[in-house]
Amino acid sequence: GQQLNQSPQSMFIQEGEDVSMNCTSSSIFNTWLWYKQDPGEGPVLLIALYKAGELTSNGRLTAQFGITRKDSFLNISASIPSDVGIYFCAGQSIYSGGGADGLTFGKGTHLIIQP
Amino acid sequence: NAGVTQTPKFQVLKTGQSMTLQCAQDMNHEYMSWYRQDPGMGLRLIHYSVGAGITDQGEVPNGYNVSRSTTEDFPLRLLSAAPSQTSVYFCASSSGVQAFFGQGTRLTVV
Repeated sequence: GQQLNQSPQSMFIQEGEDVSMNCTSSSIFNTWLWYKQDPGEGPVLLIALYKAGELTSNGRLTAQFGITRKDSFLNISASIPSDVGIYFCAGQSIYSGGGADGLTFGKGTHLIIQP
Repeated sequence: NAGVTQTPKFQVLKTGQSMTLQCAQDMNHEYMSWYRQDPGMGLRLIHYSVGAGITDQGEVPNGYNVSRSTTEDFPLRLLSAAPSQTSVYFCASSSGVQAFFGQGTRLTVV
């Protein structure tokens, strides 16, 4: 199957700092999604990206679909305590048949915020 | 506005027991899927369905069965539980590629 490398695995930051994380793929993707998982909950969709070069914001979150179509970035500005959780990237390869069965998930970035 | 509902939230099984994890969605989505989440492994697809009566295997299907008799429901059956199936299980329903997840079932097999 497709491989997604998500980094970093974990981040320990101070409240108010900006956060950056990314995902890279060995193959071309035509969709990138970013999810957040709170402790004890299921992942919730934050941002969806459908076009190479696309830059999309959702409040303090900004995500970009890399121009090579093999990577995506998520930035969080001015972090707050409720940003704590696991952030997953997910991508759909151009070789998949479409639909969520073609999604590949990264292993997640654990974000921990120290007050 | 329920979305995706999973039951139970927690379950402990003995090795060899069978059980069914329930999943229901009220968004009229055709796609539904089951994932397991293990530390350091992210989310791995077990089985999925593209509509009532149609199911297929994902990345890690062994030891699990599914059926899809209605659009709303997509149960996951463990035939003979093993300790390796200790995990958190998520059901998702999808509109296009956007998956909406349930709250998860934390399963421990002893």
